[in-house]
Amino acid sequence: EAQVTQNPRYLITVTGKKLTVTCSQNMNHEYMSWYRQDPGLGLRQIYYSMNVEVTDKGDVPEGYKVSRKEKRNFPLILESPSPNQTSLYFCASTLREGTDTQYFGPGTRLTVL
Amino acid sequence: GQSLEQPSEVTAVEGAIVQINCTYQTSGFYGLSWYQQHDGGAPTFLSYNALDGLEETGRFSSFLSRSDSYGYLLLQELQMKDSASYFCAVRWVSGGGADGLTFGKGTHLIIQP
Repeated sequence: EAQVTQNPRYLITVTGKKLTVTCSQNMNHEYMSWYRQDPGLGLRQIYYSMNVEVTDKGDVPEGYKVSRKEKRNFPLILESPSPNQTSLYFCASTLREGTDTQYFGPGTRLTVL
Repeated sequence: GQSLEQPSEVTAVEGAIVQINCTYQTSGFYGLSWYQQHDGGAPTFLSYNALDGLEETGRFSSFLSRSDSYGYLLLQELQMKDSASYFCAVRWVSGGGADGLTFGKGTHLIIQP
């Protein structure tokens, strides 16, 4: 089954404690993204990657890091989380051909105290 | 930068037809997508338009006019399960090779019996 998985699904942490949210896809897609979703603001792209070792900033990259060492994995790293990073995070994987379909993971709800 | 405008909320009656509009200001426009998101769920892909005209997929159709920077999603024979948020999203590609996706803030569709 084609899917995007994220872990953890829920996380409560404290300010300044480094954390990583993992993302993995099994569709051999080259393009992967991270989004955050906040009420009234829709989905905002944090970082994206067009291929292994190729990453670029989206609309709201401040406070986040990513890496793309393998095609299937695209972890999101918060080196020093702050309360304003409390949000719902989605990883997505995109078939950049034809209908440009983007497949989303189930989401990670992060609370930073 | 990129910006998209769509209504925040639309109400319609079960069995009717509803149109959700999206206007955008984008440099490097490449295509317009639509996504559906139910409360508590992940966004799911509905349609994609790269060229002017109408794309039809079952009860859903999507239209694009590149000259007007405008698109819409048309939902026919509305069902209660169509109650959800709908997002338009623009794929943009810059001369420098950046390739991002910017979402609108979403339209909450309420279906009344």
